[in-house]
Amino acid sequence: DGGITQSPKYLFRKEGQNVTLSCEQNLNHDAMYWYRQDPGQGLRLIYYSQIVNDFQKGDIAEGYSVSREKKESFPLTVTSAQKNPTAFYLCASSPVGDKIANYGYTFGSGTRLTVV
Amino acid sequence: QQPVQSPQAVILREGEDAVINCSSSKALYSVHWYRQKHGEAPVFLMILLKGGEQKGHDKISASFNEKKQQSSLYLTASQLSYSGTYFCGTESWSNTGKLIFGQGTTLQVKP
Repeated sequence: DGGITQSPKYLFRKEGQNVTLSCEQNLNHDAMYWYRQDPGQGLRLIYYSQIVNDFQKGDIAEGYSVSREKKESFPLTVTSAQKNPTAFYLCASSPVGDKIANYGYTFGSGTRLTVV
Repeated sequence: QQPVQSPQAVILREGEDAVINCSSSKALYSVHWYRQKHGEAPVFLMILLKGGEQKGHDKISASFNEKKQQSSLYLTASQLSYSGTYFCGTESWSNTGKLIFGQGTTLQVKP
């Protein structure tokens, strides 16, 4: 079955350390996204990519970095510059253009990051 | 800019109806609706692309007023399975290809 996989499900990080969250999809979607979810604030866009080797900043990109070397993969690195990294991180993918009307975004099951 | 959802929370009895609203200050190209159950990933419900368009399946439908930059989600004869947090995601004409989500509306359906 096609889907989108995030790993790990839970992640603990010490202050000052970088950490990378994995996101892989086998849906053949062109676009991929990273959102951060905090209680009462909905989903806030960190980065998105509509094509391999290209990505754009979202509303809260500071302290994060991404790469898109393969269509299937869109890893997110939370750097030590991110002042408040403890949150639930969601990766999503979608077709682009008219095809999105039938499918919307497909989300992964998320990674809960805690800074200790 | 983040769309505004109302109400923030609603409690229903099974069989009752609910309306969730989503308003944006930007001219919208599309509006998506998702439902998220606690600890799970959001699940796509529907997308609205044209002004005045209405869509639905089962007893969940939505409308999109392009002139007012507003969308409403209608839940009819609610079931226990409708409980969760509902998010609208908006795509503006100036920045197609990415969704900005509202803060969410928590719906609890009681027996």
